[in-house]
Amino acid sequence: DAKTTQPNSMESNEEEPVHLPCNHSTISGTDYIHWYRQLPSQGPEYVIHGLTSNVNNRMASLAIAEDRKSSTLILHRATLRDAAVYYCIRGAGGGADGLTFGKGTHLIIQP
Amino acid sequence: AAGVIQSPRHLIKEKRETATLKCYPIPRHDTVYWYQQGPGQDPQFLISFYEKMQSDKGSIPDRFSAQQFSDYHSELNMSSLELGDSALYFCASSPRGGALDSPLHFGNGTRLTVT
Repeated sequence: DAKTTQPNSMESNEEEPVHLPCNHSTISGTDYIHWYRQLPSQGPEYVIHGLTSNVNNRMASLAIAEDRKSSTLILHRATLRDAAVYYCIRGAGGGADGLTFGKGTHLIIQP
Repeated sequence: AAGVIQSPRHLIKEKRETATLKCYPIPRHDTVYWYQQGPGQDPQFLISFYEKMQSDKGSIPDRFSAQQFSDYHSELNMSSLELGDSALYFCASSPRGGALDSPLHFGNGTRLTVT
């Protein structure tokens, strides 16, 4: 049971920022929030993860609500190559336990 | 940079046959995960290994088994194949037992077709 809720699909324009929401209202205090994306015909690709504080990396930013019940993945300037299914996953931050993928958000980028 | 290598890329088998999928993790990665993704479905976790020992188990059928070898590569063995086993099978690896700052790195998968 993935225990996260994401919109089925979102659409954005190229070169504009994209905000992908995720609800995880039953998250435990030790669960991390992970984001992966899957481009067509490829394996999932790690995007970012965090616990409580907002996180930034070269791909994206992750904004985590103060109560941790929701988070937002931010792509600062979308390109056509960002069109993919984005998965928000809650899970332990370490160990060899598998991450449970739920229903992600299909992001469509319009030129 | 080296990535996770899976072989074969494509495999066609008949019902009731067996199949073996191989996964070669990124060098120095000691943890391997297997996922199954059916047509139009999301990836489903099957099983994981850390330092050659099974670590976590997901929705892996009893007909499937897997192991991790001394060189850290892993094999997924599938017997009595059914039509419903047709899917993309992904392997992922991570270092240091999947430590906090170690994301999963996925291969490009093996597409298994059962006829």
